[in-house]
Amino acid sequence: GENVEQHPSTLSVQEGDSAVIKCTYSDSASNYFPWYKQELGKRPQLIIDIRSNVGEKKDQRIAVTLNKTAKHFSLHITETQPEDSAVYFCAANLREYGNKLVFGAGTILRVKS
Amino acid sequence: DTAVSQTPKYLVTQMGNDKSIKCEQNLGHDTMYWYKQDSKKFLKIMFSYNNKELIINETVPNRFSPKSPDKAHLNLHINSLELGDSAVYFCASSLRGDYGYTFGSGTRLTVV
Repeated sequence: GENVEQHPSTLSVQEGDSAVIKCTYSDSASNYFPWYKQELGKRPQLIIDIRSNVGEKKDQRIAVTLNKTAKHFSLHITETQPEDSAVYFCAANLREYGNKLVFGAGTILRVKS
Repeated sequence: DTAVSQTPKYLVTQMGNDKSIKCEQNLGHDTMYWYKQDSKKFLKIMFSYNNKELIINETVPNRFSPKSPDKAHLNLHINSLELGDSAVYFCASSLRGDYGYTFGSGTRLTVV
């Protein structure tokens, strides 16, 4: 299959709280899982990625976890700030389909100050 | 220096016209892509080229024709534009499919 499911579609949090976005994928051969942040009117930008040989990766306030058995991965943002407000996309590569990246439908994150 | 640059940034045109979008990357990447982002923000791959060779060709109307004169350039030509073609088109590049993509700034196409 070629699906990447992403939840929730919108997420509102208070400044300083944590935000969690979850994705599931269907291709058991997928081995690369990036996350992109897209601000209004801008390009998607890579914020963190993880490969299938690693269970967790952290970069300052951002972390990603991967459960290969369950085929899901999550983005965790701690101590959210207003500038974290954006659309976040997860993605997974499909190795049988030219190694293309398939994106989730996106999560609109609003951080209220 | 912009890593992935696309032109034009905005394109407004009438139904039935033919238009082109150009993309260039200076990252030395081997693979380039065209993605379409619709009004609901969904990012859908259209084409992928590796070293000038077409490797991914999704179910896209044949009015859309990509061309890669060299591995640093990937252009998109669209014939007989339709209202439903209105979207933001993003070019991207990467070392290969399982490495991070760098996106261009996008071309907002509006067909009237």
